[in-house]
Amino acid sequence: NAGVTQTPKFQVLKTGQSMTLQCAQDMNHEYMSWYRQDPGMGLRLIHYSVGAGITDQGEVPNGYNVSRSTTEDFPLRLLSAAPSQTSVYFCASSFTGSPTEAFFGQGTRLTVV
Amino acid sequence: DAKTTQPTSMDCAEGRAANLPCNHSTISGNEYVYWYRQIHSQGPQYIIHGLKNNETNEMASLIITEDRKSSTLILPHATLRDTAVYYCIVRVALADKLIFGTGTRLQVFP
Repeated sequence: NAGVTQTPKFQVLKTGQSMTLQCAQDMNHEYMSWYRQDPGMGLRLIHYSVGAGITDQGEVPNGYNVSRSTTEDFPLRLLSAAPSQTSVYFCASSFTGSPTEAFFGQGTRLTVV
Repeated sequence: DAKTTQPTSMDCAEGRAANLPCNHSTISGNEYVYWYRQIHSQGPQYIIHGLKNNETNEMASLIITEDRKSSTLILPHATLRDTAVYYCIVRVALADKLIFGTGTRLQVFP
């Protein structure tokens, strides 16, 4: 059972480039979300989804797009990378509608130069 | 979601109990208390959650005060592998969002 899988693990981008961070889960979870974590800080919610076709903004959505075409996948797109988006990105998933645990991926470390 | 307040850092000797406090004085009746931890730079790991009764699982115990305004996570026999940042989160029962604060950095020493 793979759980939550994020790819790539590391990425270096130039300012202005675009890219997609991948997140996949095999637990049939309805809820998926993306966080970013800057050095010495807690995690901040970027976007989330309560099911296929439904997405919503979190605390820090600017500069990021998401879509949810399947239950399993929740990609995060950086449209035009900026140095301020240098961070570690975590994807999480869980069942909805009940007090249950969330499962996190191992993170993608992104550097924008 | 209610805000939480945690100490920035704590130390604990290996083999001793680690007691991590959390203040959530504005918690509502339908909000649960969750604890997660993050070891080094890994993804956060779920530990335990509770509503108003004390809870225990294989990892830890959660003690919630009767007025629910504060709670304590107890690691009964801390090991070096328990060194991590511990996050206390208050979350509405049927909501799915987890809003993280800055957590408590627990250092377990030999």
